[in-house]
Amino acid sequence: GENVEQHPSTLSVQEGDSAVIKCTYSDSASNYFPWYKQELGKGPQLIIDIRSNVGEKKDQRIAVTLNKTAKHFSLHITETQPEDSAVYFCAAFVRDTGRRALTFGSGTRLQVQP
Amino acid sequence: KAGVTQTPRYLIKTRGQQVTLSCSPISGHRSVSWYQQTPGQGLQFLFEYFSETQRNKGNFPGRFSGRQFSNSRSEMNVSTLELGDSALYLCASSLDGTSSTGELFFGEGSRLTVL
Repeated sequence: GENVEQHPSTLSVQEGDSAVIKCTYSDSASNYFPWYKQELGKGPQLIIDIRSNVGEKKDQRIAVTLNKTAKHFSLHITETQPEDSAVYFCAAFVRDTGRRALTFGSGTRLQVQP
Repeated sequence: KAGVTQTPRYLIKTRGQQVTLSCSPISGHRSVSWYQQTPGQGLQFLFEYFSETQRNKGNFPGRFSGRQFSNSRSEMNVSTLELGDSALYLCASSLDGTSSTGELFFGEGSRLTVL
């Protein structure tokens, strides 16, 4: 089955700096890659996603890049703010019959120091 | 538009007991998935229901079961609870259909503690 590895497990940055979280996946059939943000005591919230036919996607201060050949994708947060502090999860999804579950990475705890 | 609602939010059980958790998806969503979140294992897929049928199942023992009702609400049940079942159980809903990208919307979770 699919295996998603996520690095780093913890990341501390100064407010205003950029943060980058990287994930690799094993199943070349995966074609949808969402990123979730989970704040303390809450469920994961989708913040951005990318499909396998796209190499990069941006939404204000966050962007995601995908390299299908290398099977890795990354989350980039620019101009970080204290409210960005949370646990971030990457995931991979195989969109075909019989395999309809997200496989999550192990999470990255991002701490933005004011 | 209301989000995904899970009840109860917190519960404490003892080993050997059973528990039932409930999930109401976003209105109009027909797919409900369940995930277990623990510090050691992360987010792991339990099962997915669509139109009252289990469509996919993760690698969990038969003690974990679920069902979906005609209004898309779902329940999951864990029987003969073990200490290791202590976790945050997350429900996620999606519109779904054969062309679904898999975009999931999660609830706040039900935190189960087994003593």
